[in-house]
Amino acid sequence: QLQLQESGPGLVKPSETLSLTCTVSGGSISSSSYYWGWIRQPPGKGLEWIGSIYYSGSTYYYPSLKSRVTISVDTSKNQFSLKLSSVTAADTAVYYCARHLALDSSIDYWGQGTLVTVSS
Amino acid sequence: QSVLTQPPSASGTPGQRVTISCSGSSSNIGSNTVSWYRRLPGTAPKLLIHSNNQRPSGVPDRFSGSKSGTSASLAISGLQSEDEADYYCAAWDDSLNGLYVFGTGTKVTVL
Repeated sequence: QLQLQESGPGLVKPSETLSLTCTVSGGSISSSSYYWGWIRQPPGKGLEWIGSIYYSGSTYYYPSLKSRVTISVDTSKNQFSLKLSSVTAADTAVYYCARHLALDSSIDYWGQGTLVTVSS
Repeated sequence: QSVLTQPPSASGTPGQRVTISCSGSSSNIGSNTVSWYRRLPGTAPKLLIHSNNQRPSGVPDRFSGSKSGTSASLAISGLQSEDEADYYCAAWDDSLNGLYVFGTGTKVTVL
């Protein structure tokens, strides 16, 4: 059974960089059948896609976040990571890592989610 | 951020059928398939429907999806108390360099 687990600080100061890692177990991250993404949900709001990456390193980012986001993959560790720079309170959210099916982009596996609060 | 529009709420009594709409555009629903997700409070979203109308293994056939043009819908028949949750549609959008877009979300209440 595939599992995804987010890890990283739960509290980040304004203007600093949010860094999260997703560890994939029970399956390989190096498959052309899937790609890997980050989604967030601010308190009281809906789901927001942040971006995705293929094992090859090809990336897609949400346009309004693109200047601040970097998603990378480490196939040797079966992990992928998110970095979001210059954070503000508006970046406070539950962050999920997830697996997209390359066939239709649907997300068939999600991590449990981790709350990241931006506050001084 | 949402570019797919859903009604904010829907409700029904146990056993009833509830339908949720999702309106998009030619660059997303009009060009690509639609998925539906359910998020129970405090849990990660779960995939209910992919490729417009396909149910993953383990999803009851009470859930069905359809798509027509730039709109899609999710139907829940035989409504149960455990169906009370937030539901989101989503699709790939071909605009710019490509992005994945979610709907605004619909809160389903079982009366």
